[in-house]
Amino acid sequence: GNSVTQMEGPVTLSEEAFLTINCTYTATGYPSLFWYVQYPGEGLQLLLKATKADDKGSNKGFEATYRKETTSFHLEKGSVQVSDSAVYFCALSDRVGAQKLVFGQGTRLTINP
Amino acid sequence: NAGVMQNPRHLVRRRGQEARLRCSPMKGHSHVYWYRQLPEEGLKFMVYLQKENIIDESGMPKERFSAEFPKEGPSILRIQQVVRGDSAAYFCASSPRDRGETQYFGPGTRLLVL
Repeated sequence: GNSVTQMEGPVTLSEEAFLTINCTYTATGYPSLFWYVQYPGEGLQLLLKATKADDKGSNKGFEATYRKETTSFHLEKGSVQVSDSAVYFCALSDRVGAQKLVFGQGTRLTINP
Repeated sequence: NAGVMQNPRHLVRRRGQEARLRCSPMKGHSHVYWYRQLPEEGLKFMVYLQKENIIDESGMPKERFSAEFPKEGPSILRIQQVVRGDSAAYFCASSPRDRGETQYFGPGTRLLVL
């Protein structure tokens, strides 16, 4: 079945550091790929998405590129801020059937001033 | 346009009681998904509903759990005879259509079973 594997956390960085959170997936067909962010005590917010190979999703300085050849969708940001501290979830969605999301286990990111 | 609404935000139940979780999708959205998040884990799909229809309930436990999305009113996730293992955050998401549409999440209901 479909699955998503994320980089183990927690990740702790200093402000203005470069961020990479790795995400790889296993899927039949051509899924859509997503990054969601969850702040403490809140629900998930869509951060960015990509729907086909080589697409780059971007938002708020975050980027991720849909790499079909390596089945990856790594999240990057050039200069993180304290306000980026949250849990980040990589997810995929089938294009057929129920379109349900399959999530990775989440990566907790803490940014220190 | 209000986002996805869920209530209650926090729910405490004793073992054996019933829990009812409500979800009002975004305006114009006719597709609702329920997910469960156990502590320190990712979200797991439970059920997908359209108005008056359950489309996919492959993630729902076979016993004690049920879901509905009536023609009028919110979607309801019902857990009968709750046990401690049901303690989790339950998230609802909605989308306007299927076929790759983005799902928008509510703030979740955090259920604690004593």
